[in-house]
Amino acid sequence: AQSVTQLDSQVPVFEEAPVELRCNYSSSVSVYLFWYVQYPNQGLQLLLKYLSGSTLVKGINGFEAEFNKSQTSFHLRKPSVHISDTAEYFCAVSSSASKIIFGSGTRLSIRP
Amino acid sequence: GAGVSQTPSNKVTEKGKYVELRCDPISGHTALYWYRQSLGQGPEFLIYFQGTGAADDSGLPNDRFFAVRPEGSVSTLKIQRTERGDSAVYLCASSLSGSGANVLTFGAGSRLTVL
Repeated sequence: AQSVTQLDSQVPVFEEAPVELRCNYSSSVSVYLFWYVQYPNQGLQLLLKYLSGSTLVKGINGFEAEFNKSQTSFHLRKPSVHISDTAEYFCAVSSSASKIIFGSGTRLSIRP
Repeated sequence: GAGVSQTPSNKVTEKGKYVELRCDPISGHTALYWYRQSLGQGPEFLIYFQGTGAADDSGLPNDRFFAVRPEGSVSTLKIQRTERGDSAVYLCASSLSGSGANVLTFGAGSRLTVL
């Protein structure tokens, strides 16, 4: 069975500061990893994904994430956040031909 | 259609009643997923379809929950004898195929409130 742990339920940061949202996963097989974002009053949408190849993946809005197999982590980072990044961020894991399992989410709040 | 459409957007019902939630996926997407999202939680997997058949229904909480996709397109999630604990946002998503590598496109959700 696969699982995802998002260690922080809320992360407050100041505008233009860097941010890291943590995600750890558990799986006995090779995985695919995703970050989805849910802006206020909007549906979930894909931010970025890791399928194979380079362990550093870049997504929309300046976000990036690094797949670390030894630490079973897929942390999301942005060097400088903006007010518009205020949202809930969900890490997710799957394997071939399987359901996609989501973490409990991290609420990112940006202070001016 | 252009996106995943879910109806109704809001449903208020009384404990013990029967509810149907509908999902119309993106045209051509063979895989369809149902998730449930409670306040402050991530989406919880319920069931996914590959074509007309349920490929994995391990997330359905009990036999009051049932879903169908008779023609491989529109899906209906059915909840019998609703309970207050069923209150949540029910999310539908579709993808090109059932491969775990595919990106899910989500609908806006159906908010169910059981009084």
